[in-house]
Amino acid sequence: KQEVTQIPAALSVPEGENLVLNCSFTDSAIYNLQWFRQDPGKGLTSLLLIQSSQREQTSGRLNASLDKSSGRSTLYIAASQPGDSATYLCAVRVYSGAGSYQLTFGKGTKLSVIP
Amino acid sequence: GAGVSQSPRYKVAKRGQDVALRCDPISGHVSLFWYQQALGQGPEFLTYFQNEAQLDKSGLPSDRFFAERPEGSVSTLKIQRTQQEDSAVYLCASSYRDTRETQYFGPGTRLLVL
Repeated sequence: KQEVTQIPAALSVPEGENLVLNCSFTDSAIYNLQWFRQDPGKGLTSLLLIQSSQREQTSGRLNASLDKSSGRSTLYIAASQPGDSATYLCAVRVYSGAGSYQLTFGKGTKLSVIP
Repeated sequence: GAGVSQSPRYKVAKRGQDVALRCDPISGHVSLFWYQQALGQGPEFLTYFQNEAQLDKSGLPSDRFFAERPEGSVSTLKIQRTQQEDSAVYLCASSYRDTRETQYFGPGTRLLVL
């Protein structure tokens, strides 16, 4: 069974710092990997999606990398801002049979950016 | 619509009551998913629809949980004889075509069973 682990569980940084969030998964047979942001009461927002054949994806101040063979992904946030405070979730998409794929999520990293 | 909407946003139920949670996906999205998120945990897959067909219900925790999408748009997740362990946030998501694509999530329904 696929398991996704995110370290650290919580992180507090001063505004302006660069930071890295880590995600590991036990089964490398993934279709793609997705990073989400979850704000209280607002559901999940997709940040980046990396296909299994890709090594990284970038969007603005965010950069996500994928090393499928070692079962790891990182989310790099440059020049953090207080508005980046949220819980960041990593999810891997795997084939579940009958032509469909399922997302398996980690527990998330709660990020606080201090002004 | 502009995004996925869910109602009610909050629901308090007494143990043993039945509840119904509604999801309105993005207009034109074929695939619809339900997830359960317990406090401090990541979302866990419950079930998946492609149009009106429920193609995967492997994540439903018991036969008290039932989902439908009769016309291929709005979906309802029903929980019968609620128990305290059903307390969680129930998230709905939709994607344009199939299960390989980005999913767009609604704000969730927070269910508290007393």
